[in-house]
Amino acid sequence: NAGVTQTPKFQVLKTGQSMTLQCAQDMNHEYMSWYRQDPGMGLRLIHYSVGAGITDQGEVPNGYNVSRSTTEDFPLRLLSAAPSQTSVYFCASSYGRGGYEQYFGPGTRLTVT
Amino acid sequence: KQEVTQIPAALSVPEGENLVLNCSFTDSAIYNLQWFRQDPGKGLTSLLLIQSSQREQTSGRLNASLDKSSGRSTLYIAASQPGDSATYLCAAEAGTALIFGKGTTLSVSS
Repeated sequence: NAGVTQTPKFQVLKTGQSMTLQCAQDMNHEYMSWYRQDPGMGLRLIHYSVGAGITDQGEVPNGYNVSRSTTEDFPLRLLSAAPSQTSVYFCASSYGRGGYEQYFGPGTRLTVT
Repeated sequence: KQEVTQIPAALSVPEGENLVLNCSFTDSAIYNLQWFRQDPGKGLTSLLLIQSSQREQTSGRLNASLDKSSGRSTLYIAASQPGDSATYLCAAEAGTALIFGKGTTLSVSS
């Protein structure tokens, strides 16, 4: 199993550009989520999904969009990049919500200039 | 709102020392508590998961305990090695998300 994979590893965007961060898992997990990690702030939840076709907002959803058309994939879209979105983005998955171990991808380091 | 705090923020020890990392949380209504390791520039590696009904979990030289009534968890590392140098994060699962502490950065010198 590859586990949770993320692409790209690094990305530089200009303010106003849009892009999609890819996340995939091969463990047949129902629950997937996106976090951002910022110095001094820790990791914060952006969006999550409890299954294909079902998504919801986390703590810091503004400026981001998600969809879940398959169990395996959970892409994160930046609609119009801003310097405040410079961060490291992690995707995670688990069998379900409530008591299951969560597995994290290697992260995408995004810089917005 | 659930808040997770980790003390100390940084810790330096000589090789071979036993050490304890602390994690506290404000709301005892958690599903579980998970400890992670993060190496510089890397993702999170799960170390131990303690379900809310459990008191502790062990894996090799690592032992994690959970006391929901006092809102505390500890990660005990026995016989520390330079390869243990990393940032250790604890996270409490509450509702829809993992709530993370800001981590303890451990440095083990040889």
